[in-house]
Order: sequence, then C-alpha cells, then structure tokens
Amino acid sequence: NAGVTQTPKFQVLKTGQSMTLQCAQDMNHNSMYWYRQDPGMGLRLIYYSASEGTTDKGEVPNGYNVSRLNKREFSLRLESAAPSQTSVYFCASRRTSGGSADTQYFGPGTRLTVL
Amino acid sequence: LAKTTQPISMDSYEGQEVNITCSHNNIATNDYITWYQQFPSQGPRFIIQGYKTKVTNEVASLFIPADRKSSTLSLPRVSLSDTAVYYCLVGDIYNAGNNRKLIWGLGTSLAVNP
Repeated sequence: NAGVTQTPKFQVLKTGQSMTLQCAQDMNHNSMYWYRQDPGMGLRLIYYSASEGTTDKGEVPNGYNVSRLNKREFSLRLESAAPSQTSVYFCASRRTSGGSADTQYFGPGTRLTVL
Repeated sequence: LAKTTQPISMDSYEGQEVNITCSHNNIATNDYITWYQQFPSQGPRFIIQGYKTKVTNEVASLFIPADRKSSTLSLPRVSLSDTAVYYCLVGDIYNAGNNRKLIWGLGTSLAVNP
C-alpha cells in the first residue's frame, strides 16, 4: 500500500514548455486534489475531482488542466509553463464516504521550477 | 467560509506539553475541525479531527469548547521530531466539493529545542 505517489519529484522547465504531473493513489478513494504551495502562503487548491469522471476548479486554476484518468489516477498539466508556476505541487486523495474521521492523504510533492 | 487564526510560530523544549490554539469565530454548524502536520519537503499529514468537546488519539488531543469558536491541539511530551508546521482547518467534511472551501493558512511553525 503505497498511498499517494507523485512523479516526477523534481522538474525544471523553460518558460513556454509543457509538462504533466502524475498522481496515483491505491486507497480506492473517490476524491482527488491538486494543490500548490508557495513560500509565505498556505496550500492553495488548483483543481479537484470529487469522483471518477468529474473535475472542478479550485482557487487557482488558471494555467492548468487536469484529467481524472480513472479512479486511481489524477494528472495535472501545464500547457505553457510560466515562472509564476514555480512552486511545490501536492496531490491528495480523500475518502468521502463519511463515517469516521475524514482525512486527506498527501503525496510527497513535485518541486517545479520554471525558468 | 470559516477562516482560522493561529500563532505563526512557537518554541518548546523536549519533554514539554505543547498547546496550539486556533480561532475560528465563524465556524458553521456542519463544520469539523481538522489538524494536519507538515514536515519540510513532505506533504501534510492528518493528526486529529473533532466536532466538539475532546478527542484523543495516540498522537495528540484536541480540545473544543462548547461555543466551538476555538480549538486547541495538545501534543504531550514533544520530541525533536515534532518540529513541523501545524495547520488548523475548519470545514464541512461530508461534502467532497467543500474541500475547495477549506482555507489552508500559514499554520504554526513549531520548533522543539533540545
């Protein structure tokens, strides 16, 4: 049981390049999330997927697209990277069946630098 | 949206009990209080969650007064490995879409000294 995995761990892009951040979870969770974390700021939600086949915008969606490929996988794509997208990106998943403590499980993060 | 206020930083020593208080004056009836811990270069990790009164697990205790306008995370006998940032979140956890309403502040940076 690996929990939430993210690839790559580090990435350096030039302005205008594109890339896809991969995320997978093996906990059979319904909901998945993409956040970014910048120095001096808390985590900010980019996009989320409440269930397989659905996605929705979070607080800072501009410049990003997502795909919920199946229940396990949720990818984040930067079509044309900008220096303002330099950040640490976290993927998270969450069981949404209610009941006992409802928590998010986070991946290890991807450190992205856009030059 | 239930905004939270926490101290930016705290210092403690090994073996002491640490209490971190979070204010959430406009907490809604359906909102739960959740605390996460984040170590450098890692994603946040769930610590504890509660709705009212007191919740205890193997890691921490969470105290919530009757008016629920604040909560206190209590870490017993901290060690150097408890040095981390601690986040307090307030929200209705039973709606998946409500995660977009959860506001992650800067958290409280706890430094445990030898």
